[in-house]
Amino acid sequence: RKEVEQDPGPFNVPEGATVAFNCTYSNSASQSFFWYRQDCRKEPKLLMSVYSSGNEDGRFTAQLNSASLYISLLIRDSKLSDSATYLCVVTGSNYQLIWGAGTKLIIKP
Amino acid sequence: GAVVSQHPSWVICKSGTSVKIECRSLDFQATTMFWYRQFPKQSLMLMATSNEGSKATYEQGVEKDKFLINHASLTLSTLTVTSAHPEDSSFYICSARDHGQHGYTFGSGTRLTVV
Repeated sequence: RKEVEQDPGPFNVPEGATVAFNCTYSNSASQSFFWYRQDCRKEPKLLMSVYSSGNEDGRFTAQLNSASLYISLLIRDSKLSDSATYLCVVTGSNYQLIWGAGTKLIIKP
Repeated sequence: GAVVSQHPSWVICKSGTSVKIECRSLDFQATTMFWYRQFPKQSLMLMATSNEGSKATYEQGVEKDKFLINHASLTLSTLTVTSAHPEDSSFYICSARDHGQHGYTFGSGTRLTVV
């Protein structure tokens, strides 16, 4: 079983729609969780950290369920510029980042 | 904010040659540097972790004699791919962790193509 699992997609979503991604992880000792965004052939960029109480940043909402070992990302009112691959990331015991393979999102006009 | 300068951005080399990739933290001290590689449509995979002034810790399956990591200062870490082969073609990316800020800053990545 992979340490971090995501649905690879692609998710084809019309502009303005709401889309949600889930991610599951296997290490219950993981302490930090993130969503990163990666555009084609670019380095990943931090989208937001994920806190146990849930957190929101504009159109983006992240949730953590540590009991069930999953993380979610919700994007509201999606824009064309949201098209990218979204990577779920958890930290390991040595602070290294453990990455999911990413979920590809395509926003269509 | 914190910036990590990584270069080269891309490199094409002949099989059997060595390639050095540099990551330099510009306005903070990178006490820990992580080196990842990413094959197409796959996740970033940690290759090794290096702390300034000490030997790098390599992940299982990563040959330490092939991927030489040097982290001699708090602002510079290098990865040298020795005797590169076509299967080493990948996207290599560094990530610095500043213990003071508790954040991760990524370099812009190096796309290596070995022909």
